[in-house]
Amino acid sequence: AQTVTQSQPEMSVQEAETVTLSCTYDTSESDYYLFWYKQPPSRQMILVIRQEAYKQQNATENRFSVNFQKAAKSFSLKISDSQLGDAAMYFCAYRSLNRDDKIIFGKGTRLHILP
Amino acid sequence: GAVVSQHPSRVICKSGTSVKIECRSLDFQATTMFWYRQFPKKSLMLMATSNEGSKATYEQGVEKDKFLINHASLTLSTLTVTSAHPEDSSFYICSVFLAGYNEQFFGPGTRLTVL
Repeated sequence: AQTVTQSQPEMSVQEAETVTLSCTYDTSESDYYLFWYKQPPSRQMILVIRQEAYKQQNATENRFSVNFQKAAKSFSLKISDSQLGDAAMYFCAYRSLNRDDKIIFGKGTRLHILP
Repeated sequence: GAVVSQHPSRVICKSGTSVKIECRSLDFQATTMFWYRQFPKKSLMLMATSNEGSKATYEQGVEKDKFLINHASLTLSTLTVTSAHPEDSSFYICSVFLAGYNEQFFGPGTRLTVL
C-alpha cells in the first residue's frame, strides 16, 4: 500500500522569504502522480502543483516549485517570496496512474507566514 | 468558477437523526466522486468512492450502513449520515474526478455538528 509522510507538522517563514516543505512517500509503482494541495482557513482544497512521476523535470507554478527525487521517493515543495496569503495547511498527496483512483494524503504541514 | 458544490455548508442536528449532504458537479458529468472526512487539524480521510449507477466502494473501517452513499446521476452524489451521534461531528468533503482534466476537484465541505 502507498503511504505519504509529512514530517513537519508546522513551519513558519518570514514574509518574502523562501520556505521548503518536505514530503516522502512509499510505493512499489513506477508511474504515478504527486500533488501538493493547499487548504486555507476556508477549508477549500486547492491544487497547488502536480508532478507526473515519468517526468524528470520538476514542476513549477509561479512562486511554487517542487524538488522531485524519484529514487529517494522525496517530493518537497518550495515557496518563494512567501506572502501572507500562503498561510494554510499544505498536504502532500499521491495518486496511482489509474485515472480515477483515490488520492492518498499526508498528514499536512501548517505554514505560518510572519509579517 | 466553482466546479463542485456541497449543500448544506453547515448543519447542526440532534443525536439520532439522519443528515443528508449533497455533492454536485457543476457543468461536468462525473462518474466517480469521493467522500472524505476531516477531523480538526487533521488530514483528509477517504471514506468511500461513489460510482454512478452502482454501489459505493467503502474504505476499511467505514460503516456502509452508517454512511449511505447514493450516486444516482452523473452530477449528484449524496452522503447520508444515519442515526447521527456526536462522534460523527466532523467536516465532510466531496471531490469529483474529471477525466478530461485527469484531476480531482474538491467541494467546499460541510461541517456537521451533532448535539
